[in-house]
Amino acid sequence: AQSVAQPEDQVNVAEGNPLTVKCTYSVSGNPYLFWYVQYPNRGLQFLLKYITGDNLVKGSYGFEAEFNKSQTSFHLKKPSALVSDSALYFCAVRDESGTYKYIFGTGTRLKVLA
Amino acid sequence: KAGVTQTPRYLIKTRGQQVTLSCSPISGHRSVSWYQQTPGQGLQFLFEYFSETQRNKGNFPGRFSGRQFSNSRSEMNVSTLELGDSALYLCASSPLAGAQETQYFGPGTRLLVL
Repeated sequence: AQSVAQPEDQVNVAEGNPLTVKCTYSVSGNPYLFWYVQYPNRGLQFLLKYITGDNLVKGSYGFEAEFNKSQTSFHLKKPSALVSDSALYFCAVRDESGTYKYIFGTGTRLKVLA
Repeated sequence: KAGVTQTPRYLIKTRGQQVTLSCSPISGHRSVSWYQQTPGQGLQFLFEYFSETQRNKGNFPGRFSGRQFSNSRSEMNVSTLELGDSALYLCASSPLAGAQETQYFGPGTRLLVL
């Protein structure tokens, strides 16, 4: 069965420092991996996705993520954090076999401190 | 293009009542998915519709049902409401129903069951 793990409930980082939000996955086929961000009282906003090709994926608002097949990870990164990046981040996976259902991680709350 | 819209945004019901939530996808999108978001369970997949057919269903009781109309608009219905149904219900649309598709989320309907 496919699954996604976000091992950290919360990540704190100082403004201007690099940030990493971790995600690991388990699927039976080729993974399609997504990152979404949720601001208070809002729906989820798409940040980026990995389908195939280059392992480093660039997305919205300066975020990027690195697909690592051997470690089954898809960590979200940003070189320099902004206070406005503070939000709830979700990793999600779909695989090419089965029902293609989105499976979301439990979310990681990012706090960027001024 | 207008984004995904959900109505109503907020709803208060009492136990035993039923409720219908509505979702209008982005113009041209034919796939609509529904999710339940709670602090304890995170984001849980309810169902996905494509061209008026239910493609996938999550692990929810039969009290949760949905449908999609020919214009791709979707409704979900919850009958015999329970306190535990209090949640943010999110709708997401995508152009097609493949595993590579990005889902675009609406702002959600916040349901409170008293």
